[in-house]
Amino acid sequence: GAVVSQHPSRVICKSGTSVKIECRSLDFQATTMFWYRQFPKQSLMLMATSNEGSKATYEQGVEKDKFLINHASLTLSTLTVTSAHPEDSSFYICSARDLGTGTYGYTFGSGTRLTVV
Amino acid sequence: DAKTTQPNSMESNEEEPVHLPCNHSTISGTDYIHWYRQLPSQGPEYVIHGLTSNVNNRMASLAIAEDRKSSTLILHRATLRDAAVYYCILRRPIQGAQKLVFGQGTRLTINP
Repeated sequence: GAVVSQHPSRVICKSGTSVKIECRSLDFQATTMFWYRQFPKQSLMLMATSNEGSKATYEQGVEKDKFLINHASLTLSTLTVTSAHPEDSSFYICSARDLGTGTYGYTFGSGTRLTVV
Repeated sequence: DAKTTQPNSMESNEEEPVHLPCNHSTISGTDYIHWYRQLPSQGPEYVIHGLTSNVNNRMASLAIAEDRKSSTLILHRATLRDAAVYYCILRRPIQGAQKLVFGQGTRLTINP
């Protein structure tokens, strides 16, 4: 089945630095990928839709200059958290859908736990 | 986006069936009903989806009410590995990005 790989799985960074998270579709091409954030004991919150070859679409309230999204190829999207602060500590998850199989399920990465100290 | 309503939590015993309800009274005619589950510290996992008819797969069954205003995810024989948060989501197949918007879900606890 479709596999989405996310890297790194865990990262600790200092306040004020930037962190890049990668999301790869391993066995299919994804023109669209989705980025979510999840705080402890809460549901997933959609941050943005990543579009291959064009600008990402951000959800209301999400700072596009802080959460930079690049979708340079059909198999890779990256999320960069710029000038990270402790309140950015969260579980970040990406998702994509394999349109080629004819199924309608979305595949999610295993998530990246970001801790800003 | 049409909203879904699920109980915050449910509890069941191992090897017994589990029925997870979802209300979606504002569902439109083209909305698909999706179910995902999330195990601790992992990304969500697709379980099943349907439009009007009941659906079965290896993981579960989905029973959809005739008026489509509610649905029930059925785990026929729960195991400890089924303990997770289950999300019922409506997806509208419009042109362009078809994002999934998650609600609060139901936290399912399985007792041994």
